[in-house]
Amino acid sequence: AQKITQTQPGMFVQEKEAVTLDCTYDTSDPSYGLFWYKQPSSGEMIFLIYQGSYDQQNATEGRYSLNFQKARKSANLVISASQLGDSAMYFCAMRENTGNQFYFGTGTSLTVIP
Amino acid sequence: DAGVIQSPRHEVTEMGQEVTLRCKPISGHNSLFWYRQTMMRGLELLIYFNNNVPIDDSGMPEDRFSAKMPNASFSTLKIQPSEPRDSAVYFCASSLWQWGPTDTQYFGPGTRLTVL
Repeated sequence: AQKITQTQPGMFVQEKEAVTLDCTYDTSDPSYGLFWYKQPSSGEMIFLIYQGSYDQQNATEGRYSLNFQKARKSANLVISASQLGDSAMYFCAMRENTGNQFYFGTGTSLTVIP
Repeated sequence: DAGVIQSPRHEVTEMGQEVTLRCKPISGHNSLFWYRQTMMRGLELLIYFNNNVPIDDSGMPEDRFSAKMPNASFSTLKIQPSEPRDSAVYFCASSLWQWGPTDTQYFGPGTRLTVL
């Protein structure tokens, strides 16, 4: 089974609107971390936000927030007030406590329309 | 602070040649990861090291691939002999191995390898 599933290959959003990128995960480890990365067309992988499995509150970093629903095993990324520079691939990843390996999803391509 | 440094940024070589990719992790990080990214297969973990020791190399495609980490500040990924299907972007990432937010992996800019 896939550890991380991103079901949206591509998404479009109007500039200044909010957008939600979906991510579901699969683990039996009670302790884990969830991460989102951005990969613009230039190719670098940029860390955006982190959520720990025991964190009580949803993580936020500027315009990025993580909608963490533990019972549903989902960790959706919400980008508020989209900007043209947000156009990129977005990857969800998970790290379990039992190892140091990251499991990455297949990514979602986001296009912000002016 | 310097991030993860990779060299070369671009490499074009001919089939059968040896290719060596280099990585300098962030100072103080004790885990290092090598990934390969292609359109067909996405982002694949090849191998990772904790404290310079290889922990999991199950992602290494075959014996043509080898990786070393002789010290905490340097790692290499070698392909010999190279084949056209090895063409990809190779990323190196490093992290501080302790549970929590500081376990975030930070990626280098990648090496774009083209094997003709």
